[in-house]
Amino acid sequence: SQKIEQNSEALNIQEGKTATLTCNYTNYSPAYLQWYRQDPGRGPVFLLLIRENEKEKRKERLKVTFDTTLKQSLFHITASQPADSATYLCALDMPRSRRALTFGSGTRLQVQP
Amino acid sequence: NAGVTQTPKFRVLKTGQSMTLLCAQDMNHEYMYWYRQDPGMGLRLIHYSVGEGTTAKGEVPDGYNVSRLKKQNFLLGLESAAPSQTSVYFCASRKREGGETQYFGPGTRLLVL
Repeated sequence: SQKIEQNSEALNIQEGKTATLTCNYTNYSPAYLQWYRQDPGRGPVFLLLIRENEKEKRKERLKVTFDTTLKQSLFHITASQPADSATYLCALDMPRSRRALTFGSGTRLQVQP
Repeated sequence: NAGVTQTPKFRVLKTGQSMTLLCAQDMNHEYMYWYRQDPGMGLRLIHYSVGEGTTAKGEVPDGYNVSRLKKQNFLLGLESAAPSQTSVYFCASRKREGGETQYFGPGTRLLVL
């Protein structure tokens, strides 16, 4: 069955550095991959979507890469700020229904001032 | 626009009791979803709907029922609550065409004793 793995350990970095989060998946070839941000006590908020035929996508300080051979996506936040501290979730369209998503368990990012 | 709203925000149930969670969206989205989120685990899809009057099972549908009588509302029912259903429940919606982004509600925290 489809499996999505994100680093379950929290990522702690210093303000101004680049944060890199990893999302690995198995047993599936998704049409697209999405990244969401979730703050404590709140619902996830969409950040970026990258399709299977795209290698890289950027939005302001965010960058996502998608390597369908390695079955991996990397999510980068450059010039990180304490306000970037949150849990970041990756999600893939589900094999049975392209209209639904399967989520990873998320990686908690803590940016120290 | 209010986006996606969920009612109630928090509820305590006793084992065996029933309840209905309400999700409403004012974005005229065709697709709606119910997820549960447990500590250390990602969002898991319970049921979803691709249109008024239609529903489909997700990854963890057992113990839940849903209804989509109106396009803007998606109801999640627990007929006989169990402690294993203690969780945070999120509703989401998205457009059918031109967007795979899901918009999430603020969540309902449910405690089953």
